[in-house]
Amino acid sequence: DVKVTQSSRYLVKRTGEKVFLECVQDMDHENMFWYRQDPGLGLRLIYFSYDVKMKEKGDIPEGYSVSREKKERFSLILESASTNQTSMYLCASSLFSQRDDYGYTFGSGTRLTVV
Amino acid sequence: GENVEQHPSTLSVQEGDSAVIKCTYSDSASNYFPWYKQELGKRPQLIIDIRSNVGEKKDQRIAVTLNKTAKHFSLHITETQPEDSAVYFCAASSDSGYALNFGKGTSLLVTP
Repeated sequence: DVKVTQSSRYLVKRTGEKVFLECVQDMDHENMFWYRQDPGLGLRLIYFSYDVKMKEKGDIPEGYSVSREKKERFSLILESASTNQTSMYLCASSLFSQRDDYGYTFGSGTRLTVV
Repeated sequence: GENVEQHPSTLSVQEGDSAVIKCTYSDSASNYFPWYKQELGKRPQLIIDIRSNVGEKKDQRIAVTLNKTAKHFSLHITETQPEDSAVYFCAASSDSGYALNFGKGTSLLVTP
């Protein structure tokens, strides 16, 4: 019953390539997020979105952009991949709600290696 | 923005002992504090959360306490078991649906 799906589990790209990481959720969640996870640094927020065609910068947006053309899909774009973008990328979604049944649902992650 | 600090970074306990992980936050407007567990090679999963109008919440062997005045919250795991071994992340947010700011994680090892 996977509810947040990331298109690739492992990805190897070359420096300078344009890279697309895709995330799809089937829970009708309003909010979607992209984090990168690095050892010792925890999860750092790259970008997030509260609605279709809406995006907000997180803590480390440099070198990344996002696209949300449909409610269920949130794409992370590395405009020109660099080796320091080698990382685990986690997508998450949540309800825009004050109800008790909220909280993030994470995807399985995409481990990106830039060579 | 919100800054969440988490301690310790690693914790080793014997099976059956208790484990405590502590987090502090900087933004007094934060009102939602979840904890996530990430097993090796798996996605983080929500294990317990607390809102700022509650001081303590329990779910079987897991409890979370919140001190809004001091701006810190803690995860308590009692009667630890080897399957509790994982990385635990605390987080804080000004609203349940808004972006979470995470601590750097605590690697918990429970030895038999």
